[in-house]
Amino acid sequence: AQTVTQSQPEMSVQEAETVTLSCTYDTSESDYYLFWYKQPPSRQMILVIRQEAYKQQNATENRFSVNFQKAAKSFSLKISDSQLGDAAMYFCAYRSAGAGGTSYGKLTFGQGTILTVHP
Amino acid sequence: DAGVTQSPTHLIKTRGQHVTLRCSPISGHKSVSWYQQVLGQGPQFIFQYYEKEERGRGNFPDRFSARQFPNYSSELNVNALLLGDSALYLCASSLGPGQYEQYFGPGTRLTVT
Repeated sequence: AQTVTQSQPEMSVQEAETVTLSCTYDTSESDYYLFWYKQPPSRQMILVIRQEAYKQQNATENRFSVNFQKAAKSFSLKISDSQLGDAAMYFCAYRSAGAGGTSYGKLTFGQGTILTVHP
Repeated sequence: DAGVTQSPTHLIKTRGQHVTLRCSPISGHKSVSWYQQVLGQGPQFIFQYYEKEERGRGNFPDRFSARQFPNYSSELNVNALLLGDSALYLCASSLGPGQYEQYFGPGTRLTVT
């Protein structure tokens, strides 16, 4: 079974600064997807960024970028120019690329990191 | 376009009772997944349905069941509620099963007393 670990329960950053959230995962599969989701206090889970394991290039979405280290099974999220609206719980998630089985379509989430942004 | 909608927003039930939670996917999406999020933890996968059939199941007891209707909306049913079932229940919709992106609804907060 796959597991996802986020070792930072809480992080804080000053507005306009950069912060990196850590995530490690364990899997025996070679083809999979990794995600970062944001969950503000409003509870709506929002997809921030996605990385396909077969792609060596790190994904970027505006101020959000990842550092994907497949051999180390590490997937960190970097938020540049942090804004007050970035404050939320951030979840790292894994999804197998394989078809079939009872885990088909299953997202496996980490425990989350609470990000606080100070003005 | 409307996003994923869930009802009710909040629900309080007593141990032993039964509960039904509802989810309407994004228009055009044919797959619905259910997750349970206990306070302070990441969501746990319960079910995925596509075209009215169960396509994925997480490690939850048989007290949890779900179904999907011809209009692709879905219900999650939980029987014989336990205190430990208190959680935020999230519904996610996607175009299809497996590899398509999942879009989450706002969730239903269930409290069991």
